[in-house]
This record gives sequence, structure tokens and C-alpha cells, in this order.
Amino acid sequence: QKEVEQNSGPLSVPEGAIASLNCTYSDRGSQSFFWYRQYSGKSPELIMFIYSNGDKEDGRFTAQLNKASQYVSLLIRDSQPSDSATYLCAVHPPGSARQLTFGSGTQLTVLP
Amino acid sequence: EAGVTQSPTHLIKTRGQQATLRCSPISGHTSVYWYQQALGLGLQFLLWYDEGEERNRGNFPPRFSGRQFPNYSSELNVNALELEDSALYLCASSPGRRPIFDNSPLHFGNGTRLTVT
Repeated sequence: QKEVEQNSGPLSVPEGAIASLNCTYSDRGSQSFFWYRQYSGKSPELIMFIYSNGDKEDGRFTAQLNKASQYVSLLIRDSQPSDSATYLCAVHPPGSARQLTFGSGTQLTVLP
Repeated sequence: EAGVTQSPTHLIKTRGQQATLRCSPISGHTSVYWYQQALGLGLQFLLWYDEGEERNRGNFPPRFSGRQFPNYSSELNVNALELEDSALYLCASSPGRRPIFDNSPLHFGNGTRLTVT
């Protein structure tokens, strides 16, 4: 089992719709969770982070965390063509190894 | 505030040669991480340096090595290059490894695209 799993996609949504991206993680002790956006050929950029169970909203983005079920999701409301990118879920595992573990990413295409 | 800077942007080497990639973290950050992203694959953790010491390494052969300098900049060296080393190499920084920074996100540079022919 991979440590962080995401549906690779591609996921296509029409402009203005809600895009839902999901991620599950294997280490129950993980404490912090991050969503990065990566445009083709570019480096990942941080969109949101979440530490507590529940929802966290930032503009059109909402991160949802459910530690009991070990999943984290990202909702993008009013999707725009500029949101078309690969979305990477990343998890901070517990313990001394402090590096983020990334999922393989979900490719999102927003159709105009 | 200047972000994470990496050099060179592109690097072309032939099989068997050595490559050196450089990274300068955000000012005040003491931790530097290196990741490899091969075409179509996710980010694979390579190395983590903090305050001049290697803190952890991923599942890569010893020909991948690096170091961190007193000013917290870092260098990644790849010896005896193989074709499959062709990838985007990403450097990221964070404030450090003290518990207060445990949940800090990583901030990435623009990467070095290494092509091995």
C-alpha cells in the first residue's frame, strides 16, 4: 500500500463546476496535510494546508480532513480553466523523518 | 522575500558523467530537501539537510549525495549518471526541524531539469 494515494485522473469538469480531489494516507499518526498545485513543467506551489479535522476554506478552495477515515480532500468551487493542473496531496508523517510524502497527483482539466 | 532558487535551470550530461545541482533556501530557513520527479511520476524524496547535517535520505543509491553549507545553501551531486536519472530535480526549504516547525509546509524552487543522453 502506498503511503499517500490519489486517483491519477484525468479528472475533467466544466467551467464553473465544483472539482473534488481525494487523497488517502496510510500512517494514522500523520498530523499535517498539504495540497500543492503543479502546472506542467513547473514546480509545485502550496495551495492549502490543514491540521485539524473538518473543513478549511480559502477563497474558492476548501480542504477537508477526516483523520478517522484517513482521507483528505480538496474542493475547488467555480472551477476555471486556469485551475487545470496536477494537484498533489502531501502528508507529514510522524516521527523523526520530517520530509513530506507526496501522492502521485491528480490531473485536473477544466473545460471552458 | 526571495524564494528558493535553483541553478542551473537545465543541465545536459552524458551517461557516466557527474552532475552538480545547487539550491539556495528562503532566507531564515535552515532545512533543505531534494526531490526527484521523473516524467509522469510523483515526487520522490531524495535527501534532507538541516543545519549542515544530513537528516534523512530516501531510497536512492549512494551515487546520489549532497551537502549543506554554513549559509544553508545546498548542493546535490549525482555520480555515474544513468539514463533513468533524467528528471526534474526540485529543491525545497522549510524553517527547520525544531518541533515548533513540525507542521511547516515546504516551499519549492523552480527546479533543475537534468537530461542524461
